[in-house]
Amino acid sequence: DAGVIQSPRHEVTEMGQEVTLRCKPISGHNSLFWYRQTMMRGLELLIYFNNNVPIDDSGMPEDRFSAKMPNASFSTLKIQPSEPRDSAVYFCASSYLIGGGTDTQYFGPGTRLTVL
Amino acid sequence: GDSVTQMEGPVTLSEEACLTINCTYTATGYPSLFWYVQYPGEGLQLLLKATKADDKGSNKGFEATYRKETTSFHLEKGSVQVSDSAVYFCALSDRGSSNTGKLIFGQGTTLQVKP
Repeated sequence: DAGVIQSPRHEVTEMGQEVTLRCKPISGHNSLFWYRQTMMRGLELLIYFNNNVPIDDSGMPEDRFSAKMPNASFSTLKIQPSEPRDSAVYFCASSYLIGGGTDTQYFGPGTRLTVL
Repeated sequence: GDSVTQMEGPVTLSEEACLTINCTYTATGYPSLFWYVQYPGEGLQLLLKATKADDKGSNKGFEATYRKETTSFHLEKGSVQVSDSAVYFCALSDRGSSNTGKLIFGQGTTLQVKP
């Protein structure tokens, strides 16, 4: 099993540019989560999907952030326009939600984003 | 709402010392409890989990017991190694009415083990 795949692993961009982060969950998983990690704020849940449907995006910081999951094997997190305060490590995680409870989340290696 | 509180770090120990990282939680219902570990430059990995009261999760010499009476899930290891240096996260499943698979994480505790 390849695990959760994220791309790119590192992204350096200038303020105002559009950034797109990509995630491929583990095959067969039906839940997908996007997190952001910084020294100041720790690990934050941004948005999550069940069966490709966004369930809760209350963690998305503002309208500059958007996420999509067009099919079960692909998701994107887009920032437009990007700002220096968006610099962080962004993680994608997936799990197989069995009816009646949660299951282990498997994390990708993360994308380290630097906005200059 | 549900929450997880971990002891503040960093925790610095010498090799072969005993480790305890405290974790307490507040939850409605009966959540599953998890410990995740994050090594430098990597994503979070599941270390162990427990799904009901009195269950003990264990892996790689680490243990944690689900204590409903004290709402705790403390992580323990009898003899730490330098390779255990990492950030440890306690988490609980959000078993609200939606059952969406969401996990609620503590703030993380950094462990540094010196030779």
